[in-house]
Amino acid sequence: EVQLVESGGGLVQPGRSLRLTCAASGFSFDDYAMYWVRQAPGKGLDWVSGISWNSANIGYADSVKGRFTISRDNAKNSLYLQMNSLRTEDTALYYCAKGSDGYSYDLDYWGQGTLVTVSS
Amino acid sequence: QSALTQPPSASGSPGQSVTISCTGTSSDVGDYNFVSWYQQHPGKAPKLMIFEVSKRPSGVPDRFSGSKSGNTASLTVSGLQAEDEADYYCSSYAGSNNLVFGGGTKLTVL
Repeated sequence: EVQLVESGGGLVQPGRSLRLTCAASGFSFDDYAMYWVRQAPGKGLDWVSGISWNSANIGYADSVKGRFTISRDNAKNSLYLQMNSLRTEDTALYYCAKGSDGYSYDLDYWGQGTLVTVSS
Repeated sequence: QSALTQPPSASGSPGQSVTISCTGTSSDVGDYNFVSWYQQHPGKAPKLMIFEVSKRPSGVPDRFSGSKSGNTASLTVSGLQAEDEADYYCSSYAGSNNLVFGGGTKLTVL
């Protein structure tokens, strides 16, 4: 059974940093693209970043480019999102999601999310 | 990276069909056959319903279908059932390793 468990969220002040982790199990992690998608309270889905199976292809939303860094450790079956210079508008539930293959653009499994609140 | 445009709401009676549109540009929906649709019930994680414009993942009822014409993709739900009431989001590949989502459509089963 595919499982994606996000952690690392919490309350943080504007300008500070936070690192999210997604622990994956139930599939061959190193064969699949992975993604971060966020959802602000009461709002829609917002793509944040994606990474191919071998980390060769990485993309970021314009709103986070230069502040967030996605990475993965295939040996640890883990996906990360380093978030720096956080802003109040980054407040959201952050989902980890699995691509349907190594470079895919459809997300076939999602975690339950970790909540990030940026506030002073 | 502008969001794809979806109607905020849609509705239909049980047994009827409803179609939700998703309008992008020639740089995303119009240029790639990588349009997906997701269903999200309140308090739950999204679920993939359609990928690559019209393909259904295993386990998704064939009442759900997708299509695309030009810069607009569509999701059709036939034979509406109460459990179809949810938020629906489209997404598209937008080049350069970027994805873009639509603003979401709240589907109400009357």
